[in-house]
Amino acid sequence: ETGVTQTPRHLVMGMTNKKSLKCEQHLGHNAMYWYKQSAKKPLELMFVYNFKEQTENNSVPSRFSPECPNSSHLFLHLHTLQPEDSALYLCASSQGLPRESNTGELFFGEGSRLTVL
Amino acid sequence: AQSVTQLGSHVSVSEGALVLLRCNYSSSVPPYLFWYVQYPNQGLQLLLKYTSAATLVKGINGFEAEFKKSETSFHLTKPSAHMSDAAEYFCAVRSSARQLTFGSGTQLTVLP
Repeated sequence: ETGVTQTPRHLVMGMTNKKSLKCEQHLGHNAMYWYKQSAKKPLELMFVYNFKEQTENNSVPSRFSPECPNSSHLFLHLHTLQPEDSALYLCASSQGLPRESNTGELFFGEGSRLTVL
Repeated sequence: AQSVTQLGSHVSVSEGALVLLRCNYSSSVPPYLFWYVQYPNQGLQLLLKYTSAATLVKGINGFEAEFKKSETSFHLTKPSAHMSDAAEYFCAVRSSARQLTFGSGTQLTVLP
């Protein structure tokens, strides 16, 4: 298994659907992240987890609900999304949270392309 | 505060020509700096990183970048472009205990 795996790679859903994105990392890292990548916008950090505990929520709407059952798995539950939520959702992991003593280097999955109709 | 600016959202070069992608950062403390590459329909892959050791950093696929504190820059270069270098490139900065901040990206096109 390669580093960070995301499923599904592509997802089309209606505004009333409930779906989930899954991320699994095989790197032995402790921190996991969800990013949103929209066309012509910088990457937006959504959530950060460290040792299963959420450490950051960057004012993300409640229709996005993250879940981190352990340090290797991260989910993003989706409910009543809007068309403007269509984007590439990237999962990443790092050895630990950024500190002065480490680089905070991120390892990314290939992303889940979400289209909301 | 930290921020990063990538000059030029699109850069086109001929195959074999020099690649120069510009990145300027703002940071209140000495930063860590990164370049990532994203190929179509894929995630971001680390090209290289600056961690306060050598100011000239060599990465994968023949890329390198030079940290210039006086210019607050971390430009990415490659002496000779290859068709396989066509991708989007992201510069990122991190200072102290903050999360990475990414630039808006530069789309590199390599012309035959």
